[in-house]
This record gives sequence, C-alpha cells and structure tokens, in this order.
Amino acid sequence: QKEVEQDPGPLSVPEGAIVSLNCTYSNSAFQYFMWYRQYSRKGPELLMYTYSSGNKEDGRFTAQVDKSSKYISLFIRDSQPSDSATYLCAIQNGNNRLAFGKGNQVVVIP
Amino acid sequence: EPEVTQTPSHQVTQMGQEVILRCVPISNHLYFYWYRQILGQKVEFLVSFYNNEISEKSEIFDDQFSVERPDGSNFTLKIRSTKLEDSAMYFCASTPGRKATNEKLFFGSGTQLSVL
Repeated sequence: QKEVEQDPGPLSVPEGAIVSLNCTYSNSAFQYFMWYRQYSRKGPELLMYTYSSGNKEDGRFTAQVDKSSKYISLFIRDSQPSDSATYLCAIQNGNNRLAFGKGNQVVVIP
Repeated sequence: EPEVTQTPSHQVTQMGQEVILRCVPISNHLYFYWYRQILGQKVEFLVSFYNNEISEKSEIFDDQFSVERPDGSNFTLKIRSTKLEDSAMYFCASTPGRKATNEKLFFGSGTQLSVL
C-alpha cells in the first residue's frame, strides 16, 4: 500500500480564489504532516507542518489533518499569482525521512 | 538566508559511466540527505547521512550508489555505473541535527541527471 496519495491533477484558479489541496495516507502511526511548495527549477520548500489532528494557520495558508480518515488538506485563501507552484504533501516516516505525494501544480491566473 | 547548493545544475552522461553529484549543505548542519524525483513521479528518499556514516537508506539505494563527505563542506552522491532509469532530478537536503526527527529539511535546487 502506498504511503501517501495525492491526486496529481493541475489546478488553475483565478486570483483571489480559495485553493484546496488534499492527500490521503496509509499508516495511522504517522504523526507529522507537511506541505512543501516547489517553484520551477527549485527544490521543495517547507510551507506548513502539523502534528496530529487539527488545524494550523499561517497567514493565508491553513493545514488540516484528520487522523480518523487519514486525510490531510491545505487551503490557500485569497490566492495570488505568486502562489503558482507545485504543492507536495509529505509525511514523516522516522528519522526525518519524508514520504511525498506526487504534487499538485497550481496556477493562479491574474 | 543560508542555503544548500548543488552542482552541477544539469549533468548529462552516457549509460555505464560514473557520475558524482555534489552538494554543499548549510554550514553547521549535521544531517544530510539525498532524494530524487523521476519526471512525473514522487520525490523519493534515497539516503540519510550523519556523523560520517549512512543512518538510513531506501531500497533504491543499492550497491551502485554511494555517499561521501570528503571534507568539511561537501557531500557527494556517486553512481558507479549509470542506467537509463537513473535519469532524474537529484535533491540534496540538510537539517541542523539538534534532534533526530521532525526537523525542517532544507533542500537544494537539484541536479538534473540525464543518462543517454
């Protein structure tokens, strides 16, 4: 069973819209969940991380974890063209080893 | 802000040749990692390295791969005899190492390896 699943479809939204991304994971023992942002020709950059179930907010970004359904989400409010990037969910699988989802390419259209 | 630097940004090699990918982790970081991303696929963990030895490796990291910290600043990934399926973007990362888990990984911009 794959550790992390993320529907890799691209997403185009108009500026100001809410972007909603999500992933599912397989192992209920995982406790640390992350979202990385990757701009073209750059490495992944940590955007948000959450521990256990609940919400975490940072400016226009909200990360949500539902451990009962093994579901993690990222919401971007008031999206900006500068948010255009690929967003990768990741879970920590011991000793800083990360298991990534495939990523969603998000394009925010001005 | 300090960053992880990787060279070269793009490497082209013939199948069967040896390649060395180079990384300079952030100064005073203690844990180092290699990940790779085959086009259209997930970013995958290859290996972690601490205190001059491998601390963990994935099933991808077979005998064709090796890592080394030859001096106080560089961290290298060597592929002995490249195969077509080794073509991927290779990312180096580092963490401060103050704790063994749950630290923020700082990634470099990657080296695109193309095996012909």
